[in-house]
Amino acid sequence: GAGVSQSPSNKVTEKGKDVELRCDPISGHTALYWYRQSLGQGLEFLIYFQGNSAPDKSGLPSDRFSAERTGGSVSTLTIQRTQQEDSAVYLCASSLVRSNTGELFFGEGSRLTVL
Amino acid sequence: GIQVEQSPPDLILQEGANSTLRCNFSDSVNNLQWFHQNPWGQLINLFYIPSGTKQNGRLSATTVATERYSLLYISSSQTTDSGVYFCAAVTGTASKLTFGTGTRLQVTL
Repeated sequence: GAGVSQSPSNKVTEKGKDVELRCDPISGHTALYWYRQSLGQGLEFLIYFQGNSAPDKSGLPSDRFSAERTGGSVSTLTIQRTQQEDSAVYLCASSLVRSNTGELFFGEGSRLTVL
Repeated sequence: GIQVEQSPPDLILQEGANSTLRCNFSDSVNNLQWFHQNPWGQLINLFYIPSGTKQNGRLSATTVATERYSLLYISSSQTTDSGVYFCAAVTGTASKLTFGTGTRLQVTL
């Protein structure tokens, strides 16, 4: 696609429910990143994919968070048993270059509200 | 990991004024980007600039890698320039861009 596409754009859920957030990167981009931005804060790294493998998962805040990528394209971030502190905007980015020198392009984000 | 610091944290300008935003980083970088986050939350790429100088319209940026800083210049500011400006950098073999805390810019009429 022309840009990074994320869905849903908004998600309201009840505490304890599971949620899935989807990212469709720019066509041909091999690197994919998930970040999180809490209200009024900077961006916090979650996980990095190169192809379908995730060499860096160091930013996932707990074992309730997981992510996968299939076909070297679409990625899904899953949050199990959501908590109120999970409320944030979840941003996905992709990059053409395999190394860390590539320019990142971000989607519009998925805003998650946990009641 | 790398530390990225931005200044000033907040800036209020009258339309037409010029400004300079600064980004300091704690280590040598092989990737540095400037982004503008608009009031709707969208992150817009401004510059990919691990070194050197680039210009795009009223915006320009300079990175002095040896002295570990980057500057973003905004000239003749407009109300549409309002938002948060983020600097982000990668060092060594790290896989991720580390973001600074941003500069919140408000341009008034």
